[in-house]
Amino acid sequence: AQTVTQSQPEMSVQEAETVTLSCTYDTSESDYYLFWYKQPPSRQMILVIRQEAYKQQNATENRFSVNFQKAAKSFSLKISDSQLGDAAMYFCAYRSAVGRGSNYKLTFGKGTLLTVNP
Amino acid sequence: EAGVTQSPTHLIKTRGQQATLRCSPISGHTSVYWYQQALGLGLQFLLWYDEGEERNRGNFPPRFSGRQFPNYSSELNVNALELEDSALYLCASSLPNYRAFREKLFFGSGTQLSVL
Repeated sequence: AQTVTQSQPEMSVQEAETVTLSCTYDTSESDYYLFWYKQPPSRQMILVIRQEAYKQQNATENRFSVNFQKAAKSFSLKISDSQLGDAAMYFCAYRSAVGRGSNYKLTFGKGTLLTVNP
Repeated sequence: EAGVTQSPTHLIKTRGQQATLRCSPISGHTSVYWYQQALGLGLQFLLWYDEGEERNRGNFPPRFSGRQFPNYSSELNVNALELEDSALYLCASSLPNYRAFREKLFFGSGTQLSVL
């Protein structure tokens, strides 16, 4: 079974600064997807960024980028120019890309609560 | 276009009662997923429905069950409620099974279930 570990329960950053959230995962599969989701106080999970394991290039979405190290099974999220609206719980998630059917579920880490200080 | 909607927003029950949670997916989405988010535990996969069929089930007791209706909306039922069932229950939807392989999940805002 796959596991996702977020070792930082809480992080804080000053507005306009850069912060990196850590995520490691364990899998025996070679093909999979990795995600970062944001959960603000509204509780709705919002997809921040997605990485396909077969792609070596790190994904970027505006101020958000990832550092994907497949051999190390590491998938960190970097938020540049942090804004007050970035304050939220961030979840790292894994989904298998092998076969179909039962593999569509997401496996989540326990989350990192990010505080942005003005 | 409306997103994934869940009702009720909050639900308070007592031990031993039954709870029914509802989810309406985005129009055109046929896959519905249920997740439990208990405090400090992250999200745990509960159930996945696609085209009216249960496709996969997480490591939860049979007290947790559900169904998907012909209009693709879904219901999650929790019988014989226990205190540890208190959690946020999130529903997500995606495009049909054969395309879900690469598709994103879209989440609702959840139902906060409190068991007293």
